Amino acid sequence: DARVTQTPRHKVTEMGQEVTMRCQPILGHNTVFWYRQTMMQGLELLAYFRNRAPLDDSGMPKDRFSAEMPDATLATLKIQPSEPRDSAVYFCASGLARDRGSEKLFFGSGTQLSVL
Amino acid sequence: AQSVAQPEDQVNVAEGNPLTVKCTYSVSGNPYLFWYVQYPNRGLQFLLKYITGDNLVKGSYGFEAEFNKSQTSFHLKKPSALVSDSALYFCAVRAIMDSNYQLIWGAGTKLIIKP
Repeated sequence: DARVTQTPRHKVTEMGQEVTMRCQPILGHNTVFWYRQTMMQGLELLAYFRNRAPLDDSGMPKDRFSAEMPDATLATLKIQPSEPRDSAVYFCASGLARDRGSEKLFFGSGTQLSVL
Repeated sequence: AQSVAQPEDQVNVAEGNPLTVKCTYSVSGNPYLFWYVQYPNRGLQFLLKYITGDNLVKGSYGFEAEFNKSQTSFHLKKPSALVSDSALYFCAVRAIMDSNYQLIWGAGTKLIIKP
C-alpha cells in the first residue's frame, strides 16, 4: 500500500541544536501538510504546500522554523535552534487535490521530537 | 471565523452498543466535512467525508456520519461498537469558498469502548 514516510521516527536533541524532519509524500500527490500535535494545543498546521508551492505557513514560527519541498518526493521541516517547547509529534500528510479542497489526507506515522 | 467544536473530550460506550461522537462547525458558505481516527502512536487515518449529495455518508470500519445543515452538525455514528474502535477521533471542516483551502480541525474526542 502507498504510504507517507517520515524520518526519523524519534528524535532526542539538546536545546539549541538543529533538527531536520523529512517526509516522502505518496507518489502523485500534489498537496503536503506539516502538522504539530501536542496534548495542550491539539493539531496545529505549520505549513501547507500545493504543487510544491507554499500556500500557508502562517502557523509556523518564522524565526526558527522553515519548511521546503526541494522536489515532489521530499518535504523537509527544520527547526534551528530547537527549544524545549518544540517537543511534540510532527506529522506530515499528503493528498491529491483535484478540486477545491475535497481531498482526503494520508498521514505519516510522525516524528516524536524531544528537546532537552 | 471558521471553527469546529467537538464538545466531548471523552465518550464511553459498552461494546455492542451504538456510539455517537459529536461535531458542530461554523464556516462561511458550504463546507467539506471530514472524520479521521488516530490510534495510539499512529498518524491520523481518513474515515469518511461529506462533499455534497446524500446527507448520510458511510465510511470505513462501519462508521457513518450525518450532515445536518440546519444544526451545522456532522456527528459520527456506529450501530454497534467494538473494543477495537477505541481511539481518538477528529472532525475537520473546510470552507469551499476558502481560497487557501484551510482545513480546520476539532480538538479530538477520545472514544473508549468497554468490553
